[in-house]
Amino acid sequence: DVKVTQSSRYLVKRTGEKVFLECVQDMDHENMFWYRQDPGLGLRLIYFSYDVKMKEKGDIPEGYSVSREKKERFSLILESASTNQTSMYLCASSPGGELAKNIQYFGAGTRLSVL
Amino acid sequence: QKEVEQNSGPLSVPEGAIASLNCTYSDRGSQSFFWYRQYSGKSPELIMFIYSNGDKEDGRFTAQLNKASQYVSLLIRDSQPSDSATYLCAAYSGGGADGLTFGKGTHLIIQP
Repeated sequence: DVKVTQSSRYLVKRTGEKVFLECVQDMDHENMFWYRQDPGLGLRLIYFSYDVKMKEKGDIPEGYSVSREKKERFSLILESASTNQTSMYLCASSPGGELAKNIQYFGAGTRLSVL
Repeated sequence: QKEVEQNSGPLSVPEGAIASLNCTYSDRGSQSFFWYRQYSGKSPELIMFIYSNGDKEDGRFTAQLNKASQYVSLLIRDSQPSDSATYLCAAYSGGGADGLTFGKGTHLIIQP
């Protein structure tokens, strides 16, 4: 079974803090993704990576950065957390390629509250 | 802008009936389609994928694809209260890792 592990289920941070969200996958997948999910807005792609040290902006990258130093690990960084970044953050990975190889497997999610 | 549209619901179905969830997509070049189930407070989990026109069955679930009309549907037979969740439809249009577009989901309630 594919396993995508996010380091924290719940986080509470203060405005202005630097926040690190970690994600690890164990299936040697090429692609990794960070989403945030808010009521009524669905899944919104923040950043994705298709290879080690490669990163691409998604639909809402502002206020976030990412790091992928190893194939299995993809980190999301909030440089200076703000209250509007309170959300559920979901990491996903996929093998990449044609058709069914674009199945994305999700981690359990991190519910971040910024006070 | 590639879009995947779903009725947000809630869709209420009595236990034991067939639940029918629909999804339309804007990009005619979309190649493969995925249905995810998401329980409240949990992450999405894959139920089925389909990439050929017609029906694909897996247990109580049937995915239907009509590329000419650009719609995908998910049928759940013999609905159970445990099927109550939000169902996300996604379409892959190619072009790289970010070619997967998610709909906002349909909230399904199975009434005992």
